[in-house]
Amino acid sequence: TQLLEQSPQFLSIQEGENLTVYCNSSSVFSSLQWYRQEPGEGPVLLVTVVTGGEVKKLKRLTFQFGDARKDSSLHITAAQPGDTGLYLCAGARRSRANNLFFGTGTRLTVIP
Amino acid sequence: GAGVSQSPSNKVTEKGKDVELRCDPISGHTALYWYRQSLGQGLEFLIYFQGNSAPDKSGLPSDRFSAERTGGSVSTLTIQRTQQEDSAVYLCASSRNRPGAYEQYFGPGTRLTVT
Repeated sequence: TQLLEQSPQFLSIQEGENLTVYCNSSSVFSSLQWYRQEPGEGPVLLVTVVTGGEVKKLKRLTFQFGDARKDSSLHITAAQPGDTGLYLCAGARRSRANNLFFGTGTRLTVIP
Repeated sequence: GAGVSQSPSNKVTEKGKDVELRCDPISGHTALYWYRQSLGQGLEFLIYFQGNSAPDKSGLPSDRFSAERTGGSVSTLTIQRTQQEDSAVYLCASSRNRPGAYEQYFGPGTRLTVT
């Protein structure tokens, strides 16, 4: 059973388009992280959100943590080919704060 | 500074053989994790070490899998009597152990192929 479900699983878009990736769970998390992974490499942390309703922006990327801390979204504006990769959300539970539960992943391809 | 390193980067082995995968965490990071990733999908938690505490082995899929961490630094993941379903990328990560600093830093992974 996967604690965190991501949608869509695959996404292929043209350069310049906008997109949103969703990360959903029935469980509450004390914090949630988003990672991006490129082929042949390990995941790299993009952002950590810790407060329900929190919104963080990193250039063209906007991350939101749901009010109930059960879900999150990643929105990319004007996607570029360099955004191509596997996006993973990961949640920490308060009882085991140093362990992360990873989502199922969203594979994004941005076509030039 | 140096990141997390893993060796070998690729390993091809015959079914039934034992393999050892190595992870060198970032210096000063007390927490170390092993994950398995199949076909570019999400990460499956295997085991977690924190300082001198007993490791959290709750993610190990069978008793063929074991791991140790010597001197609180380098870790080795051992898979005995490998099976074809063990083929995957094995990722190691490390992190500091202080509240609010649960970001994990990943190595490049070891791609294991069991033939």
